[in-house]
Amino acid sequence: DAKTTQPTSMDCAEGRAANLPCNHSTISGNEYVYWYRQIHSQGPQYIIHGLKNNETNEMASLIITEDRKSSTLILPHATLRDTAVYYCIVRVAENYGQNFVFGPGTRLSVLP
Amino acid sequence: DADVTQTPRNRITKTGKRIMLECSQTKGHDRMYWYRQDPGLGLRLIYYSFDVKDINKGEISDGYSVSRQAQAKFSLSLESAIPNQTALYFCATSVGQGKGETQYFGPGTRLLVL
Repeated sequence: DAKTTQPTSMDCAEGRAANLPCNHSTISGNEYVYWYRQIHSQGPQYIIHGLKNNETNEMASLIITEDRKSSTLILPHATLRDTAVYYCIVRVAENYGQNFVFGPGTRLSVLP
Repeated sequence: DADVTQTPRNRITKTGKRIMLECSQTKGHDRMYWYRQDPGLGLRLIYYSFDVKDINKGEISDGYSVSRQAQAKFSLSLESAIPNQTALYFCATSVGQGKGETQYFGPGTRLLVL
């Protein structure tokens, strides 16, 4: 079962920052927060993950609250190609062989 | 991700036929996975492999089999295809980076069983 809740959909203007929230109030101490996205039936694409510290890479930033009960994925300058379903997943760090549980996700529409 | 490729990308077959879906990777990862995705549902794990010749069942392995003869290749077979196996199939590879496993997915194979 999904351990996360996300808004069903969001809109964002092209060029603006897209902030996608995720609640994971039952997260355990050894569970990471992962973000993936899926663009129109393509393979899910890894974006970023973190444990408790904020993380940044070339695609996005991940902000995790101090109590770790929620997080926000930030796409700093959204483009039309960022239109996709974004999945927030909570998972034990070294849990090989267990699937990533993809819930319904947030459908982000980047508008021109 | 071009490092994980799947063939074919689309396949139409008939009930009762045996078909094979292929996955290849150039990432050098030991771990490989097969998932299926149905409309409106998340991904469900079919089989996974930690190394060559290592095979493990996922949550929905019935009706499927796999083969891992080389590190770079992981094949999924439907022994006798049935219509409810119509789905989008994804292969994935993974690596542990000292800060959690990250899975990388292929582009998918769209399968239609008539």
